[in-house]
Amino acid sequence: GENVEQHPSTLSVQEGDSAVIKCTYSDSASNYFPWYKQELGKRPQLIIDIRSNVGEKKDQRIAVTLNKTAKHFSLHITETQPEDSAVYFCAAIVTGGGNKLTFGTGTQLKVEL
Amino acid sequence: ETGVTQSPTHLIKTRGQQVTLRCSSQSGHNTVSWYQQALGQGPQFIFQYYREEENGRGNFPPRFSGLQFPNYSSELNVNALELDDSALYLCASSPGTSGVGGELFFGEGSRLTVL
Repeated sequence: GENVEQHPSTLSVQEGDSAVIKCTYSDSASNYFPWYKQELGKRPQLIIDIRSNVGEKKDQRIAVTLNKTAKHFSLHITETQPEDSAVYFCAAIVTGGGNKLTFGTGTQLKVEL
Repeated sequence: ETGVTQSPTHLIKTRGQQVTLRCSSQSGHNTVSWYQQALGQGPQFIFQYYREEENGRGNFPPRFSGLQFPNYSSELNVNALELDDSALYLCASSPGTSGVGGELFFGEGSRLTVL
């Protein structure tokens, strides 16, 4: 089955700096890659996603890049703010796998003032 | 708000007991999937229901079972509870079963503690 690895497990940045979280996946059939933000005690919320026919997608301060050849994708957050502090999860779906998301292990992002 | 509601929000059980968790999907969503999120881990797929039938299952034993009702709401049942079943159980609904997302809308979860 699909396996998703995520790094780093914790990331501390100063307010205004950029943050980058990286994930790799194992199944070349995966073709949808969402990123979720989960605040303490809250539900995971989709912040951005990318499909395998696109190499990069941007939404304001958040961007995601995908390298299908290398089977890795990354989340980039620019001009970080304290409210960006949360756990971020990457995920992948295998084609034809219904809604079986395979999640990474998460990155605890802390934005310090 | 996503409209996915789960109950109960918190519960405590002892080993060997049985538990039922409930989920009401967002209006118009006919597919419900369940995930287990252990502390400090990413959610793990348990199974998915579409049109009242299970149509996908993760690596969980048969003591994890579920139901979906005609109104698309769903239940997750866990028998013979074990300590390792302690986790946040997340329900997610979506408007279809397409494997190429559709955003999943997660509920706030049910936190189960097994003593």
